Amino acid sequence: EADIYQTPRYLVIGTGKKITLECSQTMGHDKMYWYQQDPGMELHLIHYSYGVNSTEKGDLSSESTVSRIRTEHFPLTLESARPSHTSQYLCASSTTGDEQYFGPGTRLTVT
Amino acid sequence: KNQVEQSPQSLIILEGKNCTLQCNYTVSPFSNLRWYKQDTGRGPVSLTIMTFSENTKSNGRYTATLDADTKQSSLHITASQLSDSASYICVVSDRGSTLGRLYFGRGTQLTVWP
Repeated sequence: EADIYQTPRYLVIGTGKKITLECSQTMGHDKMYWYQQDPGMELHLIHYSYGVNSTEKGDLSSESTVSRIRTEHFPLTLESARPSHTSQYLCASSTTGDEQYFGPGTRLTVT
Repeated sequence: KNQVEQSPQSLIILEGKNCTLQCNYTVSPFSNLRWYKQDTGRGPVSLTIMTFSENTKSNGRYTATLDADTKQSSLHITASQLSDSASYICVVSDRGSTLGRLYFGRGTQLTVWP
């Protein structure tokens, strides 16, 4: 089991609220990723980071933002949640890039 | 366009039976192919990794095969157990990217009944 953690595991929140999904890893990995996954669908990359102070947008357009101030921490923020943001969000980390270790995910529901 | 297609979309088998899941990909240049197991409400966990030169790799009751010429892979599960119920995701890595570009299939949802 990889040492990568996500909180909260489940979140139900009203439209317009600001939320931050936390992701932390204790493996010292430089590369970190955020994926969005809907039921029965493939994972879509929404953000990634090569290291501290490095953040890039992924393939899937997302209204979320990320920061990478510390190696171990890669939080994702939604300034104003909407029902279309309802999804599962998975965080991952890696040294090589192709071997990624995933966290348990955050199931977000926006009402 | 780089894609990963999996079949079947879902599968129900009885405990103790064997099954085979399929993965076809068009990712190029190819680096490696992994099969992940994703339990409901959890993140994916890697089961096997196969590089271009490998044809077969086993991990307990899981055996993966790779045909790099036809760009096909399969995951065979032997003597299934209730705990095998999960989504199995085929993931192909692109060698040409320093990012570590991964291409994900939609997964096969396996249900094992007692």
